[in-house]
Amino acid sequence: DAKTTQPNSMESNEEEPVHLPCNHSTISGTDYIHWYRQLPSQGPEYVIHGLTSNVNNRMASLAIAEDRKSSTLILHRATLRDAAVYYCIFPGGTSYGKLTFGQGTILTVHP
Amino acid sequence: EPEVTQTPSHQVTQMGQEVILRCVPISNHLYFYWYRQILGQKVEFLVSFYNNEISEKSEIFDDQFSVERPDGSNFTLKIRSTKLEDSAMYFCASKEGRVSLTDTQYFGPGTRLTVL
Repeated sequence: DAKTTQPNSMESNEEEPVHLPCNHSTISGTDYIHWYRQLPSQGPEYVIHGLTSNVNNRMASLAIAEDRKSSTLILHRATLRDAAVYYCIFPGGTSYGKLTFGQGTILTVHP
Repeated sequence: EPEVTQTPSHQVTQMGQEVILRCVPISNHLYFYWYRQILGQKVEFLVSFYNNEISEKSEIFDDQFSVERPDGSNFTLKIRSTKLEDSAMYFCASKEGRVSLTDTQYFGPGTRLTVL
């Protein structure tokens, strides 16, 4: 299975930026990096994905290292609602798209 | 915005009983998935389903499990004889399927299965 490494937990204050790192040294040249998050008592939800360039959407930004062995999810202004477990995932060669979740990073946001 | 729905939200059953968990994926999606999450543990892939057949399954998905798309809208997971260790949150997901590497999976809210 495709392997990613993330810190177990991180903390932030409300309205401050948060940078969530992920290492994925075994990623291949065609693997997209996906980020999902799981709010308490909910199913996972898509956050963002990218291949080589930095990506932005209404939820977050994704900064991908030049060698693609790591990436950083950026929440520009954390809110209490952003408290969740964040997962960095890449499909790793499966054509049917199963997602292999690790333990993820538990983000705590303080008021 | 379209969403994946699941019923029931909570199912309690006795060990050895059969349960059917139901999901309604997003209407134009072609790929369907079941995942489970035991309390306090990570989300685990069970099975993927495409073109009316299983495309991939995990070691967890043994002969006690089956999936079906009985009509154009529902996608079900059946556990024939439940065990205590089947107690978990079960999530259904779907994706459109146009481009496999970038398609987003949309997850339902989950069904909490409690086996007594």
